[in-house]
Amino acid sequence: GQNIDQPTEMTATEGAIVQINCTYQTSGFNGLFWYQQHAGEAPTFLSYNVLDGLEEKGRFSSFLSRSKGYSYLLLKELQMKDSASYLCAVSGGGSYIPTFGRGTSLIVHP
Amino acid sequence: GAVVSQHPSWVICKSGTSVKIECRSLDFQATTMFWYRQFPKQSLMLMATSNEGSKATYEQGVEKDKFLINHASLTLSTLTVTSAHPEDSSFYICSARDRGLGTYEQYFGPGTRLTVT
Repeated sequence: GQNIDQPTEMTATEGAIVQINCTYQTSGFNGLFWYQQHAGEAPTFLSYNVLDGLEEKGRFSSFLSRSKGYSYLLLKELQMKDSASYLCAVSGGGSYIPTFGRGTSLIVHP
Repeated sequence: GAVVSQHPSWVICKSGTSVKIECRSLDFQATTMFWYRQFPKQSLMLMATSNEGSKATYEQGVEKDKFLINHASLTLSTLTVTSAHPEDSSFYICSARDRGLGTYEQYFGPGTRLTVT
């Protein structure tokens, strides 16, 4: 299986930038996903990285380093609505089905 | 596009009864649907993968006789929790892959909160 580690909780100020890290261990890496999940709701897709480097999509960017087993999600110009859980998910080990980490609960305060 | 619905959104049932949860892809065909369970402040745990027209593949530790999955068409999969017990109370989420796009992206349904009393 995949071992995925991400911080349990982070806090940040509205308008600021926050970086959520994710480290993983897997054989046969097939891709890394980031999802956003608001309390009581289903996850929504944010990004997918399969090659090294930075993928930018509006206020959100995701970075991957396969050699280091490391990814981060960067959120810029934070808004109150960004308060949510951010799930890192990795597919590997011969499967394209991702395994989810425990998620990082981000609290954005004024 | 790529909308997945679940029904019901929440259900309360008595211990020993069965509950069926439906997952539908509304505007695309889903060759593969996934069923997850999520306990409070925990991650999504994959329960099973269901492919249209074939038997579901269950993850280790998930009882296939207790969690019955049927994927009768390219737009519908159902999960039936049989003889439910309080420990089955959880948030059940389905997701689907868009056959047409051929991508690995999963689209999640809104989830079903099951409470067994």
